[in-house]
Amino acid sequence: DGGITQSPKYLFRKEGQNVTLSCEQNLNHDAMYWYRQDPGQGLRLIYYSQIVNDFQKGDIAEGYSVSREKKESFPLTVTSAQKNPTAFYLCASSIGANSPLHFGNGTRLTVT
Amino acid sequence: EDKVVQSPLSLVVHEGDTVTLNCSYEVTNFRSLLWYKQEKKAPTFLFMLTSSGIEKKSGRLSSILDKKELFSILNITATQTGDSAIYLCAVEGRGNTPLVFGKGTRLSVIA
Repeated sequence: DGGITQSPKYLFRKEGQNVTLSCEQNLNHDAMYWYRQDPGQGLRLIYYSQIVNDFQKGDIAEGYSVSREKKESFPLTVTSAQKNPTAFYLCASSIGANSPLHFGNGTRLTVT
Repeated sequence: EDKVVQSPLSLVVHEGDTVTLNCSYEVTNFRSLLWYKQEKKAPTFLFMLTSSGIEKKSGRLSSILDKKELFSILNITATQTGDSAIYLCAVEGRGNTPLVFGKGTRLSVIA
């Protein structure tokens, strides 16, 4: 079955540690996205990539980093510079412009 | 800056009621407006609207776009408890710009 897999589902970290969230898709989609969701805030774009080896900052990129070395994979690193990292993180992919996003099941990150 | 505003932010209705969710937007070079339903984790796609006045329908759900007044509505008739979810509206501008999402409407349907 084609889809997007995010892992892990739940992640707990101590403040000051970097953490990497995994996102893999087997839909052969060119574009991939990372969103952050906080209660009452909707989805806010962190980073996106429209092609391998290229990515752009979204609205809230500070404290995050990404890589896109393979078409299937778009990992997100939450660095210690992110002031408030506890949130629900959603990865998505699409064929390209003017096509719906397909979402993974998300990773809930808690930093204490 | 592109903007999407959804209203109401939350809504509680009884089973069988009809609800209307609203989405207004400001976007440079509008391309499309999309509705998603998010129950627990992954948002699932409902509708994509690109043309004014053409209703999209799927079962008890329907949606329409007004490009002159810059808004869309999502209607749900004969609501069921399974309709309880966050409904997200997003818009896409031209030029490969990513979707901009609203804050969502949290719908609770009680028996």
